[in-house]
Amino acid sequence: EVQLVESGGGLVQPGGSLRLSCAASGFTFSSYWMHWVRQAPGKGLVWVSRINTDGSSTNYADSVKGRFTISRDNAKNTLYLQMNSLRAEDTAVYYCVRDLVGISSWGQGTLVTVSS
Amino acid sequence: DVVMTQSPLSLPVTLGQPASFSCRSSQSLVHSDGNTYLNWFQQRPGQSPRRLIYRVSNRDSGVPDRFSGSGSGTDFTLKISRVEAEDVGVYYCMQGTHWPPWTFGQGTKVEIK
Repeated sequence: EVQLVESGGGLVQPGGSLRLSCAASGFTFSSYWMHWVRQAPGKGLVWVSRINTDGSSTNYADSVKGRFTISRDNAKNTLYLQMNSLRAEDTAVYYCVRDLVGISSWGQGTLVTVSS
Repeated sequence: DVVMTQSPLSLPVTLGQPASFSCRSSQSLVHSDGNTYLNWFQQRPGQSPRRLIYRVSNRDSGVPDRFSGSGSGTDFTLKISRVEAEDVGVYYCMQGTHWPPWTFGQGTKVEIK
């Protein structure tokens, strides 16, 4: 069974940092592109970032470029999102997603709240 | 960036009746490889999204056949042949042809009358 389990969310002050993790199991993690998608409270889905299979290529939404860094450790079957210089508008549930256009699976999400 | 526009944003439906909603893209979603990367996702209340349809009209594993997708170019439709109570939620279209970014529509909220 495919499982994606996010962790690392929580309450952080504006300007602070958090690192999200996504533990993958039930499939060959190193074979898939991975994404982070977020959803602000009561709002729609917004793509955040993508990484290719070996981590050599990444993309970011303009709203997070220069502040967020996506990475992966294929030996540990884990995806990461390092979030720096956090703003109130980054408050959202962050979902780890396997391959948006191929064989897609979503985690349960982890809530990040940016507030003083 | 490709803008995805869904309509209506809210759709009250009657159990057992059909439902249909639209998704339009700001440019054609036909990829140079000939595929059209238009997906539909369902998000039930309190749950994570799950994909229902990929490449316009292909149902994901386990998706009931009352769900069907159609369309081409810039105009796409998701239909539910007979709405069941478990279909309540928000439906999002998403394009994966012109990336980055991958872009979602605003969502159509389906509720029972």
